[in-house]
Amino acid sequence: GNSVTQMEGPVTLSEEAFLTINCTYTATGYPSLFWYVQYPGEGLQLLLKATKADDKGSNKGFEATYRKETTSFHLEKGSVQVSDSAVYFCALSDLGAAGNKLTFGGGTRVLVKP
Amino acid sequence: NAGVTQTPKFQVLKTGQSMTLQCAQDMNHNSMYWYRQDPGMGLRLIYYSASEGTTDKGEVPNGYNVSRLNKREFSLRLESAAPSQTSVYFCASSHARGGETYEQYFGPGTRLTVT
Repeated sequence: GNSVTQMEGPVTLSEEAFLTINCTYTATGYPSLFWYVQYPGEGLQLLLKATKADDKGSNKGFEATYRKETTSFHLEKGSVQVSDSAVYFCALSDLGAAGNKLTFGGGTRVLVKP
Repeated sequence: NAGVTQTPKFQVLKTGQSMTLQCAQDMNHNSMYWYRQDPGMGLRLIYYSASEGTTDKGEVPNGYNVSRLNKREFSLRLESAAPSQTSVYFCASSHARGGETYEQYFGPGTRLTVT
């Protein structure tokens, strides 16, 4: 079956530091890949997505590139802010699955200190 | 647009009690989902409804039932709550069309404690 593995947190950074969160996946078929973000006390919001190999998703200064050869979709941001403190989830959607189901990784908590 | 709404926001139950979590969306989405979120385990799919009139089990369906009341509403029922069902429950919705992948939109969650 499908699975997503992402680095465990918490990740603690200073403001303006570089952030990388690793994500690797196992899937049959050709999944689409997503990063969702969950701010404290809220539901998940889509941060970015990529639907095919070599696609780069980007939003709010975050980027991730769909690497089929390494089955990875690592999230990066060049200069984090305190407001980026949140839990980040990597997820995949198998186009063959009925109902557009998502498989999530365990989440990585990021804490940015001023 | 309110997006995806869930009620209640918080609930405390005693073991053996029953309750229904309500979810509604106003985005005309075909598909709806119920997840539970436990520390370190990400989100796990409980049940989903690919379209109005259909429901299917997800990864962790035991102890739960669902009803797709209409296109807008999808409820989750705990018939006899157990402490292992203490969790945060999220409802989500999305478009769904064969061969296409769509973003899921999430509600704010229901924090359930079973004592």
